[in-house]
Amino acid sequence: RKEVEQDPGPFNVPEGATVAFNCTYSNSASQSFFWYRQDCRKEPKLLMSVYSSGNEDGRFTAQLNRASQYISLLIRDSKLSDSATYLCVVNRQQAGTALIFGKGTTLSVSS
Amino acid sequence: DVKVTQSSRYLVKRTGEKVFLECVQDMDHENMFWYRQDPGLGLRLIYFSYDVKMKEKGDIPEGYSVSREKKERFSLILESASTNQTSMYLCASSSIKGQLGGTQYFGPGTRLLVL
Repeated sequence: RKEVEQDPGPFNVPEGATVAFNCTYSNSASQSFFWYRQDCRKEPKLLMSVYSSGNEDGRFTAQLNRASQYISLLIRDSKLSDSATYLCVVNRQQAGTALIFGKGTTLSVSS
Repeated sequence: DVKVTQSSRYLVKRTGEKVFLECVQDMDHENMFWYRQDPGLGLRLIYFSYDVKMKEKGDIPEGYSVSREKKERFSLILESASTNQTSMYLCASSSIKGQLGGTQYFGPGTRLLVL
């Protein structure tokens, strides 16, 4: 099993659609989880951290299922500006600060 | 706001040249990282550092070395550049304070072409 696995997409959706991305991770000892966003030819930027209880930031909702080692990101009411690659990120070891990045899921929102 | 800067946005070098990529962060972060990003391969960790003069190998350290003489600066060195080191190089920093596996903040990247 790959350390962090994501469906590469692309996901092509119209404006206003709801879209969900999933991610699985292999290390059951992982403690920290994130979603990053990367625009074309730009650096990755933190979108949101993912907490055990799930968390929401505006149109974005992240969920964590530790038992299944599964993370999700839900985007509601998609905007053109949401078009980007979304990276699922997990810390490498229980007490470490190095992170493992998934290869990303590409989203394209069209009008 | 956290700011991570990298010395060059674009760089063209010849095979066999020694290449220095510089990264500076202004948030007094303890941890600094160097990645390369290639299409279809995602972000791969080359080296990281938890403290001044300290370094740890990542997943793909071969052909690279690093230097961290000051807390704010982390340099990546390609001892003898090769064409397979053509890539986008990204530097990141994070703090150990707060949650484990802290958020990493990235610089804008350096696109290196080795001819």
